[in-house]
Amino acid sequence: DAGVIQSPRHEVTEMGQEVTLRCKPISGHDYLFWYRQTMMRGLELLIYFNNNVPIDDSGMPEDRFSAKMPNASFSTLKIQPSEPRDSAVYFCASRMGQGTNEKLFFGSGTQLSVL
Amino acid sequence: AQSVTQLDSHVSVSEGTPVLLRCNYSSSYSPSLFWYVQHPNKGLQLLLKYTSAATLVKGINGFEAEFKKSETSFHLTKPSAHMSDAAEYFCVVSDWTGGYQKVTFGIGTKLQVIP
Repeated sequence: DAGVIQSPRHEVTEMGQEVTLRCKPISGHDYLFWYRQTMMRGLELLIYFNNNVPIDDSGMPEDRFSAKMPNASFSTLKIQPSEPRDSAVYFCASRMGQGTNEKLFFGSGTQLSVL
Repeated sequence: AQSVTQLDSHVSVSEGTPVLLRCNYSSSYSPSLFWYVQHPNKGLQLLLKYTSAATLVKGINGFEAEFKKSETSFHLTKPSAHMSDAAEYFCVVSDWTGGYQKVTFGIGTKLQVIP
């Protein structure tokens, strides 16, 4: 398996533009997580899905952020409109198993720069 | 090039004995290094971070890590393991490369604590 695949690797955009980040989880994994990493705040959980259903989106910063998982093999995180403070590395992760058997796998991340 | 290697996918210790989780990194620039912990069915939690200050970093729950530039290591230690330490631990490296923040997660080390 190729692991968790995120695209694009880098995104540079201007303030006010829409940004869409994409994630393909590992096949068979039933949980998908979106995280954001900044130097100031470290890693933040934005939202996670179980079987394509959003379970907890309390980490989404504000209404400008939205996430979807239309099927088991694809998820998007959209920011509209983007702002400079959204600049960060965004990670997607998928998980298999339950309890002590669970294992989390991270994608390579998307570096977002909003100018 | 940036990379992080967690040398053990599984570590098993007896309760009350020391814990050592190994992490080696490579970075072209002065990196920041983090350790995160994930307990079953819970989100990632920051244990500690190194950001170019003191090389010995103390974190939560009695954990600490020492940044050794000559060995490119950032091993996580705890003098005495508790049952509640059983979890998965991720080593993370972050630096700025070509004007972009790059972050890489290790594959994780599962810690088992035997009563």
